[in-house]
Amino acid sequence: AQRVTQPEKLLSVFKGAPVELKCNYSYSGSPELFWYVQYSRQRLQLLLRHISRESIKGFTADLNKGETSFHLKKPFAQEEDSAMYYCALGEGGSEKLVFGKGTKLTVNP
Amino acid sequence: NAGVTQTPKFQVLKTGQSMTLQCAQDMNHEYMSWYRQDPGMGLRLIHYSVGAGITDQGEVPNGYNVSRSTTEDFPLRLLSAAPSQTSVYFCASSRSGEAVNEQFFGPGTRLTVL
Repeated sequence: AQRVTQPEKLLSVFKGAPVELKCNYSYSGSPELFWYVQYSRQRLQLLLRHISRESIKGFTADLNKGETSFHLKKPFAQEEDSAMYYCALGEGGSEKLVFGKGTKLTVNP
Repeated sequence: NAGVTQTPKFQVLKTGQSMTLQCAQDMNHEYMSWYRQDPGMGLRLIHYSVGAGITDQGEVPNGYNVSRSTTEDFPLRLLSAAPSQTSVYFCASSRSGEAVNEQFFGPGTRLTVL
């Protein structure tokens, strides 16, 4: 069965420090992976997806099939990055997403 | 475009009452889904639909019904509310295609069952 694990419920860093939000997945097929973000009092929205291989708001994520990971990284965290981050796995052949339990990132001044 | 809209924003029910959470999208998306968000549990899929007239169960379907009579609307019905259904409910929609597409989320409905 498909599964997404985000081992950290809470992550706290200082402004300007590097940040890494971990995501591991379990899937027998070819995975499609996403990071969604929910800022305070805003809707859940797509941050980035692995097939686009782009940097959004300074965040990057690389799919490592050997380690079945899709960690989200940013070299210098900003206070506005404070939010709830969800890693999600797409099931091949459908639009269904399996979400991890989320990591709440707090960037302190 | 309004995107994905949900009503109501807040609702308080008594155990045993029924109600319908409304969801609509104006992007002509084929795929629509309902999730519940609980602390420490992330988002869990309740029901989903790949087009008008087609629905299927997700991970946590018990106690909920859905229907999809039009492309735009995807209401979620609570048949007999229970305290365990206290949660924040999100509706989402996306295009359908060969790759998994970006899902667009509504603002959520915060439901409390007493």
